[in-house]
Amino acid sequence: QPVLTQPPSVSGAPGQRVTISCTGSSSNIGRGYDVHWYQHLPETAPKLLIYDNTNRPSGVPDRFSGSKSGTSASLAITGLRAEDEAIYYCQSYDYDLSGSVFGGGTKVTVL
Amino acid sequence: QITLRESGPTLVKPTQTLTLTCTFSGFSLSTSEMGVAWIRQPPGKALEWLALIYWDDDRRYNPFLKTRLTITKDTSKNQVVLTMTNLDPVDTGTYYCAHQSGSGELSLHEFDYWGQGTLVTVSS
Repeated sequence: QPVLTQPPSVSGAPGQRVTISCTGSSSNIGRGYDVHWYQHLPETAPKLLIYDNTNRPSGVPDRFSGSKSGTSASLAITGLRAEDEAIYYCQSYDYDLSGSVFGGGTKVTVL
Repeated sequence: QITLRESGPTLVKPTQTLTLTCTFSGFSLSTSEMGVAWIRQPPGKALEWLALIYWDDDRRYNPFLKTRLTITKDTSKNQVVLTMTNLDPVDTGTYYCAHQSGSGELSLHEFDYWGQGTLVTVSS
């Protein structure tokens, strides 16, 4: 069972805004550790989308944004496009496990 | 430009030992604040962090798999090797290596570059 909890799926029409939540606990996100987000397309390597809660690597469109509060974090995608269909994972550090932990992944479907 | 590539067997029998190699370029594991991690994904399941090796040879392991994992590096070859003992069908999945860098505890940082992954099937 993944340490971080994500909804299995979210969907939206082209142009709409969707958000993906990532819920942790006091041993990870709630302890102040940063959250990172990845986009994973089938048969490809996961791609870093957001690091340190809110930062976008070079080349990632500003349609993607991240936030964090308390024991949770969120990824928002605005102006949804067909190419955004993918599975999105959050990642953080867990104090009790002394290592990186991932969420279960959220499949984004563009209707 | 940083690139990583995983290699190893595609089919392993139960109880056997798996050895995977990550060959990378674009950085050196002798440079401070650099690290290479292994992450896997069983079919249809989530990503799972396995192990991390630092530039100074410090190592971190997933505590649930620690007794079965060994991560090593060969700086001269730009390679990181992961061995996993006593394979079981539940170990079937795609295995990725990834780059981490940053100050302090490397595990806090993001995986900014990933390999394409290698599919390992454990079956008799």
